[in-house]
Amino acid sequence: GESVGLHLPTLSVQEGDNSIINCAYSNSASDYFIWYKQESGKGPQFIIDIRSNMDKRQGQRVTVLLNKTVKHLSLQIAATQPGDSAVYFCAENLWIQGAQKLVFGQGTRLTINP
Amino acid sequence: NAGVTQTPKFQVLKTGQSMTLQCAQDMNHNSMYWYRQDPGMGLRLIYYSASEGTTDKGEVPNGYNVSRLNKREFSLRLESAAPSQTSVYFCASEWGGADNEQFFGPGTRLTVL
Repeated sequence: GESVGLHLPTLSVQEGDNSIINCAYSNSASDYFIWYKQESGKGPQFIIDIRSNMDKRQGQRVTVLLNKTVKHLSLQIAATQPGDSAVYFCAENLWIQGAQKLVFGQGTRLTINP
Repeated sequence: NAGVTQTPKFQVLKTGQSMTLQCAQDMNHNSMYWYRQDPGMGLRLIYYSASEGTTDKGEVPNGYNVSRLNKREFSLRLESAAPSQTSVYFCASEWGGADNEQFFGPGTRLTVL
């Protein structure tokens, strides 16, 4: 089956720097993508989403970029803070049999160095 | 609102034992989902319920059964637990329809000895 994958399993950045987390997807028919943040011992928390008719979407300190040509999306976190330490997952949303199904990547662990 | 709640938070079973994981949501969502997360992995869909009264298999349904008890509650049952089912289980819900955010519960950490 098709899957969503991530380029790097871990990322360490200095506090205050910008972070970029990358994700590749393989289903060219996918039209909706979501980034989730998962802190230790908690369930995933929605960060930002993007539809395939967009190539960029901005939230508070976060930006998602979508490149449909190479089937790649990225999550940019500006001015990284200690509270940003978590595992970040991209998920590909497939609409099958009347329900949404999320296909998650492996995740990238973001560590913030003081 | 409590959002999505799950019980229990932790559980240890012996091989062959059975148990039911409970999930409830108070957001009046139509669709509910069960996922499992193995160490260092993303979440994989076990079963889902697009609406009250319907359930369907996800990516990894073997060894599990589900019940959509009502609009609020969606339970996951392990009839005969196996060590391969050691994992963290997450329940999620959403309004239904296309492109809607799924809200996740805090998870149940299950160990099968």
